[in-house]
Amino acid sequence: AQSVTQPDIHITVSEGASLELRCNYSYGATPYLFWYVQSPGQGLQLLLKYFSGDTLVQGIKGFEAEFKRSQSSFNLRKPSVHWSDAAEYFCAVGVLDLSYVIFNYQLIWGAGTKLIIKP
Amino acid sequence: DSGVTQTPKHLITATGQRVTLRCSPRSGDLSVYWYQQSLDQGLQFLIQYYNGEERAKGNILERFSAQQFPDLHSELNLSSLELGDSALYFCASSDLEGAAGVGTGELFFGEGSRLTVL
Repeated sequence: AQSVTQPDIHITVSEGASLELRCNYSYGATPYLFWYVQSPGQGLQLLLKYFSGDTLVQGIKGFEAEFKRSQSSFNLRKPSVHWSDAAEYFCAVGVLDLSYVIFNYQLIWGAGTKLIIKP
Repeated sequence: DSGVTQTPKHLITATGQRVTLRCSPRSGDLSVYWYQQSLDQGLQFLIQYYNGEERAKGNILERFSAQQFPDLHSELNLSSLELGDSALYFCASSDLEGAAGVGTGELFFGEGSRLTVL
């Protein structure tokens, strides 16, 4: 079965330090991969996505992520975090189900990682 | 602005009541997804519609129901409300449409409807 694992429930980093949030997925085919961010009380905003091509993808707000097929990982990175990056981050994999007459498409979500920034 | 509109943004009601949450997807998106996010919980997938038809069901309670109308807007009906139903309810639409799978597969989220059951 498809799944997404974000092993860190909380991560605390100092402002200005580098950041890496881990994401591992289980899916038999080439995945569509996503990172979303949710600020407190807000909706979800797409940070970046991968579905083909260069395995290092750039997103908004200075974030990047690298798709590593051999490790089934899609880790999110930022070289220097800002206090405004404090939020919850969700990794997701897009899954196609071809058992329907017209395909069905779902995102399988990780449990999220809450990022706390120390001043 | 994602292009997905949800109303109301906030709703306070009492146990036992019934509420309806409304979602308008992005123009041209045929799929609508509903999610529930309780305090300190991740996203729980409730139900998906595609062009008016139910396509997939997740952890949706029998007290909850949804539909998608011909104009593609969707409504989530929550009845016999309990304290534990207090949550953020998100609607999302997808740009991955049709058998050709045209699109990027991104889900576009509304800002959510915050339901408080007292």
